[in-house]
Amino acid sequence: GAGVSQSPSNKVTEKGKDVELRCDPISGHTALYWYRQSLGQGLEFLIYFQGNSAPDKSGLPSDRFSAERTGGSVSTLTIQRTQQEDSAVYLCASSPDSSSRAQYFGPGTRLTVL
Amino acid sequence: RKEVEQDPGPFNVPEGATVAFNCTYSNSASQSFFWYRQDCRKEPKLLMSVYSSGNEDGRFTAQLNRASQYISLLIRDSKLSDSATYLCVVLGSSNTGKLIFGQGTTLQVKP
Repeated sequence: GAGVSQSPSNKVTEKGKDVELRCDPISGHTALYWYRQSLGQGLEFLIYFQGNSAPDKSGLPSDRFSAERTGGSVSTLTIQRTQQEDSAVYLCASSPDSSSRAQYFGPGTRLTVL
Repeated sequence: RKEVEQDPGPFNVPEGATVAFNCTYSNSASQSFFWYRQDCRKEPKLLMSVYSSGNEDGRFTAQLNRASQYISLLIRDSKLSDSATYLCVVLGSSNTGKLIFGQGTTLQVKP
């Protein structure tokens, strides 16, 4: 079946511009996660959605970052006034629920801020 | 101190070799542990969960030492296709499923 998809696969933007990254989780998965991976670094948790519960935003690095999940499916991660340090691969993962041991990752969006 | 620490390597081994990776974690309350594999410029994929009693999946064996807060992965009879980065992962919170990733250990298997 279809896995997690993300778009765009690559995004180059200028410092100060806003960007939106999209994630389509696996159909039926209620838990959705955003992570980012900077060059040479491990994955860093950003935000988590589970069903209709309030999201866990504890990993968002600043108030320029926000995310929403509409209809319990598609999610968008928005970065306002991008900075060069925001350059990274942004990965989305989904799992059947929060207790599931397996998280399935999308291919990521590679963001470059010039 | 990082929550999950790994030796980044790289580990360069010949085909057929046995190689072991280690990982330490800082939160003694952690309950769930995993090894993920990440190929170059690809997304991470779950390799195996790590159980308290140790577990094996083919050529791969995972061990957990709760007293020392230490996790290991052993790969026997290495294949060229095993070349990848191996990520040690700890479940940060059982309520949210938030995963805490180590920086990864890079393995390069040479012919």
